Amino acid sequence: AQSVTQPDIHITVSEGASLELRCNYSYGATPYLFWYVQSPGQGLQLLLKYFSGDTLVQGIKGFEAEFKRSQSSFNLRKPSVHWSDAAEYFCAVGAELTGGGNKLTFGTGTQLKVEL
Amino acid sequence: ETGVTQTPRHLVMGMTNKKSLKCEQHLGHNAMYWYKQSAKKPLELMFVYSLEERVENNSVPSRFSPECPNSSHLFLHLHTLQPEDSALYLCASSQERGGLGEQFFGPGTRLTVL
Repeated sequence: AQSVTQPDIHITVSEGASLELRCNYSYGATPYLFWYVQSPGQGLQLLLKYFSGDTLVQGIKGFEAEFKRSQSSFNLRKPSVHWSDAAEYFCAVGAELTGGGNKLTFGTGTQLKVEL
Repeated sequence: ETGVTQTPRHLVMGMTNKKSLKCEQHLGHNAMYWYKQSAKKPLELMFVYSLEERVENNSVPSRFSPECPNSSHLFLHLHTLQPEDSALYLCASSQERGGLGEQFFGPGTRLTVL
């Protein structure tokens, strides 16, 4: 069965500082990996995704993530954090369902606080 | 309307009430999902519909009853809920195949069961 671990429940960074959010996954085949962001009172918005090819993936809002198969990791990074990045971030691994559609398994999320 | 919409955004109900949550997607997708988001727990996949057929049911109690009348609409019918069912209920949609798993989420319905 697939699973995702986000070891950091809360992270606080200063505005302008760099950011790295950790994600480790467990999956038997080549994984489909995602990072989503959720602002208070909102649904989830896709930041970026990895399916195959280049292991460094660029996303929206200046985020990037690197897939490392040897470490079963897909960490999210941003060189310079803005106050508006304060939100909760979710890593997910996906798999196609036999009957159609896809199943996403999420981590517990990392709450990011940005200090001005 | 664009994307995925959900109504109502907030719902308070007693344990003996019957209510329904509605989700509508305007993206031309044909797979739809219900998730439950509780505090300090990962998002839990509840139901998956693909081409209006239910393809996944993750051991959800029968007091939750989904309905997918067409590829654009998804309902979650609620009856005799428990206080522990209070949570944010999120709807999502995706391509049935070929969309590489990307799911688009609605803003959610915040449910409180008294």
